[in-house]
Amino acid sequence: NAGVTQTPKFQVLKTGQSMTLQCAQDMNHNSMYWYRQDPGMGLRLIYYSASEGTTDKGEVPNGYNVSRLNKREFSLRLESAAPSQTSVYFCASSEKPGTSFLRNTEAFFGQGTRLTVV
Amino acid sequence: EDKVVQSPLSLVVHEGDTVTLNCSYEVTNFRSLLWYKQEKKAPTFLFMLTSSGIEKKSGRLSSILDKKELFSILNITATQTGDSAVYLCAVYTNYKLSFGAGTTVTVRA
Repeated sequence: NAGVTQTPKFQVLKTGQSMTLQCAQDMNHNSMYWYRQDPGMGLRLIYYSASEGTTDKGEVPNGYNVSRLNKREFSLRLESAAPSQTSVYFCASSEKPGTSFLRNTEAFFGQGTRLTVV
Repeated sequence: EDKVVQSPLSLVVHEGDTVTLNCSYEVTNFRSLLWYKQEKKAPTFLFMLTSSGIEKKSGRLSSILDKKELFSILNITATQTGDSAVYLCAVYTNYKLSFGAGTTVTVRA
């Protein structure tokens, strides 16, 4: 019953450092997402992947890159971290919207990564 | 660009009150609308709505979608302190899931 596994849970970076956030799901979902959450701003979409081998920009892609390594894994990379990227990051996965209306196709979330850039 | 707008941004009520949260949207290729509850960790799923006028209920929570006027409401009746949370509305389009800013609900004893 792992669902969506996201690592690390916490990270502190210095400005200019790089890091990769890892996400893996075991539900055989086609769609995967990376969001950031800042106080009062809900979840803002950074990048998404509708299927293995495809990725697309969301609302706030600047400063990030992603890799859909295979169907299970979707990683988020910060090449040169900035204080403005201090946030809580969530990975999520879902069935492709419209695949089936006979069952729920809600998004399932990882537990989040609290990233601080100093 | 897809837009999901929630209102109010926050509210404070007393136990036993009824709360109504609003979510309006302007998106291309609407598929479904979802409601989530978030309490200081990952969001947890409440409802998914795809058809207009069909109310979904779970205990004291209910929700309905109006696809003509492009909005949904989430009602919480007989509120309890455990209902204090951020409530998030999200809309699926063909390929992505976009969220609103959320409504912070505080229920005072």
